[in-house]
Amino acid sequence: DTGVSQNPRHKITKRGQNVTFRCDPISEHNRLYWYRQTLGQGPEFLTYFQNEAQLEKSRLLSDRFSAERPKGSFSTLEIQRTEQGDSAMYLCASVGPSDNSPLHFGNGTRLTVT
Amino acid sequence: DAKTTQPNSMESNEEEPVHLPCNHSTISGTDYIHWYRQLPSQGPEYVIHGLTSNVNNRMASLAIAEDRKSSTLILHRATLRDAAVYYCILRAARGGAGGTSYGKLTFGQGTILTVHP
Repeated sequence: DTGVSQNPRHKITKRGQNVTFRCDPISEHNRLYWYRQTLGQGPEFLTYFQNEAQLEKSRLLSDRFSAERPKGSFSTLEIQRTEQGDSAMYLCASVGPSDNSPLHFGNGTRLTVT
Repeated sequence: DAKTTQPNSMESNEEEPVHLPCNHSTISGTDYIHWYRQLPSQGPEYVIHGLTSNVNNRMASLAIAEDRKSSTLILHRATLRDAAVYYCILRAARGGAGGTSYGKLTFGQGTILTVHP
């Protein structure tokens, strides 16, 4: 399977713990996006990378959230001191350099904070 | 970002055509019209996109109004596997208003399509 891979698929954690999610984009896709989706809502943009550079962060991305893409390949999203409101599906998408190439989404990591 | 308006839900019968409408009256000249769908427990999936002319692919057809203020996604023969949330999204082209985040998708709530057997 050469699609976008996200791990883990599910994560249950206690409030106050730190969690980290990983996204492996389609190889040679230089652009990568993170989104968050809560029940009944469309995905909300969190942050965008072009290669290893983080070019945009949503105001939804509080200082407890950090994302990296150290070598311009895989990316990680870390949430520190999780809160119950962080419970959501976290989606990653990648896209190639051509204008209007479609975004390819992974199947997400579902986070439950208890 | 320019906004789109879609009905909250629609229903169809299996093997019948489905027309999913989308209004985007504030579309700019450089915005492409994209459609994605999201099946339960999966990430969104690209369906089709267009700028001015109608478009066809193996999944669907996209009919774009002459003034570009509305569009319609057409599923020619709905199947049970087409039951999903369908999102109509305006996406800035490079050199448009997107800036460093060109290509970013801004999702609305979409249309929940139910297909009856």
